[in-house]
Amino acid sequence: KAGVTQTPRYLIKTRGQQVTLSCSPISGHRSVSWYQQTPGQGLQFLFEYFSETQRNKGNFPGRFSGRQFSNSRSEMNVSTLELGDSALYLCASSLATGPTYEQYFGPGTRLTVT
Amino acid sequence: GENVEQHPSTLSVQEGDSAVIKCTYSDSASNYFPWYKQELGKRPQLIIDIRSNVGEKKDQRIAVTLNKTAKHFSLHITETQPEDSAVYFCAATLRSNDYKLSFGAGTTVTVRA
Repeated sequence: KAGVTQTPRYLIKTRGQQVTLSCSPISGHRSVSWYQQTPGQGLQFLFEYFSETQRNKGNFPGRFSGRQFSNSRSEMNVSTLELGDSALYLCASSLATGPTYEQYFGPGTRLTVT
Repeated sequence: GENVEQHPSTLSVQEGDSAVIKCTYSDSASNYFPWYKQELGKRPQLIIDIRSNVGEKKDQRIAVTLNKTAKHFSLHITETQPEDSAVYFCAATLRSNDYKLSFGAGTTVTVRA
């Protein structure tokens, strides 16, 4: 079974631009969560989607948004990019929503904002 | 994860020795505590987890212990090998996060040959 995939793997953007990241979950998984990983900060939860609905949202500004499609693929959008948005963005899929379902991480998208 | 504290932030051990990483959490209602390993340039992978009705769990050279009274849980790696070198993250479900996983800041483990 193919793992979680994310595209693109690397991105370089300038301040003020917007960006869209994509995540394809493992086949059959219906929950997709997004995390921001920065050095020293660990993984910060952005949001979770399940059955095309946002189930939960972390403490990030409204510039961060996402959506999920009927095939469970998910996209994350960041508008008006800031230097501090430079990070590794990871998505994770699980069979269903709920913390006890094992999350499988994708390889991440490395975003650099200049 | 502001409500999951992880220590130490870096850990260097001699091959064959043990490594211990400790995490504390704030929410007494937390009930699930996974540990993830992230090798350099790779994605995090679940290595072991424990639920609140269990005090200890082992899987070969790794073990996790949970002290619900003190609200801390620890990862123990015995007979460390060079391939154990990675960043390890603990996580816990927190009521303040609607019981989603909150992660610790990570521990960089280096195993010296």
